[in-house]
Amino acid sequence: TQLLEQSPQFLSIQEGENLTVYCNSSSVFSSLQWYRQEPGEGPVLLVTVVTGGEVKKLKRLTFQFGDARKDSSLHITAAQTGDTGLYLCAGVWSNYQLIWGAGTKLIIKP
Amino acid sequence: DSGVTQTPKHLITATGQRVTLRCSPRSGDLSVYWYQQSLDQGLQFLIQYYNGEERAKGNILERFSAQQFPDLHSELNLSSLELGDSALYFCASSPHATVGEQYFGPGTRLTVT
Repeated sequence: TQLLEQSPQFLSIQEGENLTVYCNSSSVFSSLQWYRQEPGEGPVLLVTVVTGGEVKKLKRLTFQFGDARKDSSLHITAAQTGDTGLYLCAGVWSNYQLIWGAGTKLIIKP
Repeated sequence: DSGVTQTPKHLITATGQRVTLRCSPRSGDLSVYWYQQSLDQGLQFLIQYYNGEERAKGNILERFSAQQFPDLHSELNLSSLELGDSALYFCASSPHATVGEQYFGPGTRLTVT
């Protein structure tokens, strides 16, 4: 069974702080996607990382794919209340299916 | 707005009943994926269709079925509903036959009483 573990499951911090969330697996993925989901809405794709060691930046969000393509991290600098949401990672394991993590629920307090 | 539409937005029904959820993909997308998300849990992949053909199956119960029509819209049929089927059901579309980025609809919240 291919598993993607996300940690922490829940994180509540003050606005302006930095944070990192993780997505780990024992399996190698050809690529990995990060999504953000707000309450009552569908997930929205943030980024796809493909190459081992790849780093992508999206404003204050920095995504990294591990060298061995088994893990990934999302770092948020100076968090804002608008960053609140459920962050999901999904690994491409086969051509037909994404393997989804259970998500990190992030709350940014004003 | 992802361009994916789902109807209805909310559905309340009784145990034992049957319901149909509808999804229209983004213009030009040939793949449709269906997911189930229970409270505070991640996404469970149910099934994928590509250009009218079933492409992949995930953890879909035998009581559930889906199809994709020639105009590319898709329907997910849930029958003999149980309390545990209460969840958010999402449809996602993609231009790819194989896995790539997916664009999610707003979901249908199903409540089985």
